[in-house]
Amino acid sequence: AQSVTQLDSHVSVSEGTPVLLRCNYSSSYSPSLFWYVQHPNKGLQLLLKYTSAATLVKGINGFEAEFKKSETSFHLTKPSAHMSDAAEYFCVVIPPSNYGGSQGNLIFGKGTKLSVKP
Amino acid sequence: KAGVTQTPRYLIKTRGQQVTLSCSPISGHRSVSWYQQTPGQGLQFLFEYFSETQRNKGNFPGRFSGRQFSNSRSEMNVSTLELGDSALYLCASSLVISGGSSYNEQFFGPGTRLTVL
Repeated sequence: AQSVTQLDSHVSVSEGTPVLLRCNYSSSYSPSLFWYVQHPNKGLQLLLKYTSAATLVKGINGFEAEFKKSETSFHLTKPSAHMSDAAEYFCVVIPPSNYGGSQGNLIFGKGTKLSVKP
Repeated sequence: KAGVTQTPRYLIKTRGQQVTLSCSPISGHRSVSWYQQTPGQGLQFLFEYFSETQRNKGNFPGRFSGRQFSNSRSEMNVSTLELGDSALYLCASSLVISGGSSYNEQFFGPGTRLTVL
């Protein structure tokens, strides 16, 4: 069975400093992994995705993540935090497609709330 | 292009009642998935509909049901509400590429906040 573990429930950084949100995955095969962001009172937005192409994945708003198979990790980073980055971030794994190419059934981590101090 | 819309945005019900939530996907998207988000359990998959057929289902009791119409709009219904059903219910739509088994990005709506008293 696949799962993701987000190692920190809350991360606080100062504006302009680097961001690191940690995620470890468990999967018996090469997984597809994603990071989503959820701002208050808004839906989830896809930040970036890894689907077995390049191990360093660049996403929107300056975020990137590196897939490390040896460490079973997919940590999210950003060189310089901005106030607008304050939100909750979810690491997500998708199980293999069912017959017919089912698109649902994303498996979410518990989330990491990012606070950005001025 | 309009995003995923969900109605109503907020809902208050009492135990034992039933509720219907609505989701309109992005135009052209044929797959609609539903998720429940609670502080304790996080985000959990409820079910997915494609071409008016449920083709994937999460681990929720039969009180949770859904359907999809020919225009891809979807509704979910929860009968005999319990206090634990209080949650944010999120709908997501995706464009399904014919024959593809790879992931198509899911676009989420803002959710319906259900409170059960």
